[in-house]
Amino acid sequence: EPEVTQTPSHQVTQMGQEVILRCVPISNHLYFYWYRQILGQKVEFLVSFYNNEISEKSEIFDDQFSVERPDGSNFTLKIRSTKLEDSAMYFCASSPREGYTFGSGTRLTVV
Amino acid sequence: SQQGEEDPQALSIQEGENATMNCSYKTSINNLQWYRQNSGRGLVHLILIRSNEREKHSGRLRVTLDTSKKSSSLLITASRAADTASYFCATAPFRPNAGKSTFGDGTTLTVKP
Repeated sequence: EPEVTQTPSHQVTQMGQEVILRCVPISNHLYFYWYRQILGQKVEFLVSFYNNEISEKSEIFDDQFSVERPDGSNFTLKIRSTKLEDSAMYFCASSPREGYTFGSGTRLTVV
Repeated sequence: SQQGEEDPQALSIQEGENATMNCSYKTSINNLQWYRQNSGRGLVHLILIRSNEREKHSGRLRVTLDTSKKSSSLLITASRAADTASYFCATAPFRPNAGKSTFGDGTTLTVKP
């Protein structure tokens, strides 16, 4: 069964550093998403991406965040200058039109 | 915005019993999905039910959807210790490119052996 692949599975970074979280969505999907889950809290929407542009973003997705689909297969989330409160599990998801397939997540720890 | 809210927040049952979790949402949806999450792990898609469907089965899972009440329920029959996890519902809008699904806080299910 096709999968959404996320790398790395765990990343530790110093506060203020830039991180790039990578995702390979399912190849024939058209819609892409990033969600995050702070430990013990609910899954929160960050951003959706369709037709090579952001279609919706949440209040969390401020200027520190950006997304790219650089080569037609990867979908990346960049955090420019990480803060302690960015520590969370980050999930990528893709969708053909309905239903989402989530990746297994990247656990980001900012120290 | 759409919002999935699950209840109860926590449910503890004995192995073999049935577990029922409920989800309510606020606006019109295209479909509703249920996910399972083991502690600290990723989201596993369990079942999707479309707005024109009322009930769906998958193995030991039964999902119902009542669009008039804007609610859904997930029933796990003959529960096993391995079903211990958090369960979330998520709603999807009619136009996927309009954006997000919204997750609730989830129901934490504990199945005691």
